[in-house]
Amino acid sequence: GDQVEQSPSALSLHEGTGSALRCNFTTTMRAVQWFQQNSRGSLINLFYLASGTKENGRLKSTFNSKESYSTLHIRDAQLEDSGTYFCAAPMSNYNVLYFGSGTKLTVEP
Amino acid sequence: DPKIIQKPKYLVAVTGSEKILICEQYLGHNAMYWYRQSAKKPLEFMFSYSYQKLMDNQTASSRFQPQSSKKNHLDLQITALKPDDSATYFCASSQEAERLFFGHGTKLSVL
Repeated sequence: GDQVEQSPSALSLHEGTGSALRCNFTTTMRAVQWFQQNSRGSLINLFYLASGTKENGRLKSTFNSKESYSTLHIRDAQLEDSGTYFCAAPMSNYNVLYFGSGTKLTVEP
Repeated sequence: DPKIIQKPKYLVAVTGSEKILICEQYLGHNAMYWYRQSAKKPLEFMFSYSYQKLMDNQTASSRFQPQSSKKNHLDLQITALKPDDSATYFCASSQEAERLFFGHGTKLSVL
């Protein structure tokens, strides 16, 4: 919701290029998670970070808890990377994960 | 093999009827959740359960009732269905409040 702001809302990349998605929080978060929703509608957990940086293949995510933001970097984008990327974080109640509105990524040949 | 099984994948219902959405997880997680995704809103938290006990409920309507018959089951009963209930309902699970995994969703259409 409003406590988790994602940007940009949409992004178009050519194959082989890269970019960064950002997630800003209006309050201090203890952790962030990133998900990809693919063309079939499935939600895939990409990262869980309590701090620092994690990397998985062509994806890298960082979480700056002090400044309340997280980024997801995509490099060497492939067609199958197309989809909607969501960040999510727990609010004061750790059982409830709030999602941003998503970044719709289109990778073009 | 999917580790979180949701049934059915697609569901069509008439206004006023009642449906049950099924969810089973085989990840050994203690916490299970229901989320809803519609065209009008982003992923929206509905319920969380831990060790078969309700932890959080952020669904205003009592027409939505989760049911946990076993540790790895969390079904969702929806009564008096309305067209506005049309959405994809995702079940999810995690160990404690850590990394969250989703099922493939049940797409509900209410006519």
